[in-house]
Amino acid sequence: DTAVSQTPKYLVTQMGNDKSIKCEQNLGHDTMYWYKQDSKKFLKIMFSYNNKELIINETVPNRFSPKSPDKAHLNLHINSLELGDSAVYFCASSLMGQITDTQYFGPGTRLTVL
Amino acid sequence: GQNIDQPTEMTATEGAIVQINCTYQTSGFNGLFWYQQHAGEAPTFLSYNVLDGLEEKGRFSSFLSRSKGYSYLLLKELQMKDSASYLCAVLDSNYQLIWGAGTKLIIKP
Repeated sequence: DTAVSQTPKYLVTQMGNDKSIKCEQNLGHDTMYWYKQDSKKFLKIMFSYNNKELIINETVPNRFSPKSPDKAHLNLHINSLELGDSAVYFCASSLMGQITDTQYFGPGTRLTVL
Repeated sequence: GQNIDQPTEMTATEGAIVQINCTYQTSGFNGLFWYQQHAGEAPTFLSYNVLDGLEEKGRFSSFLSRSKGYSYLLLKELQMKDSASYLCAVLDSNYQLIWGAGTKLIIKP
């Protein structure tokens, strides 16, 4: 069974559209994360979500919004997509939200904005 | 500013040993991670160091010197499947994880 899953794996869309990426973890973890990996391979954390507490990286535009219907899911919704949003987005989870916990990553979603 | 430096790319021979270095300058330190990422795949955890010294885990070892702001990942008995990017990440004083850009390791037969 996949521990952290994301859908879709690939997403190609036009500038200005609104899209969502779904993430689910079946590890029973308390904390989930969203990362963006750009073309230079830097991983940048966007959000972490633990027990309904959302921690936002202040550099993330407010067009990006995480939504967590329950502890096992953290979806990423993006409004008014821009060319610069093209990247690979990784979801991750960790056991208790202590940042020293090992993070388990999903397979990634490659977003291409045309 | 916060900075993590790793070589962009390294090449090594199957069966050999390779050392991937990571130097960091961060606001505080609460540990250093190494992750492996195969092309097109997600990062996977390799090691976590918070105290100085060497930690060995099978063919992989990780070393930390906090006074020097330095870590390395040592890979022994290299196999073709070790071809991947190796990401160094540091927890700063605010427990934010700062990632390096990764070192692409190419293994040749």
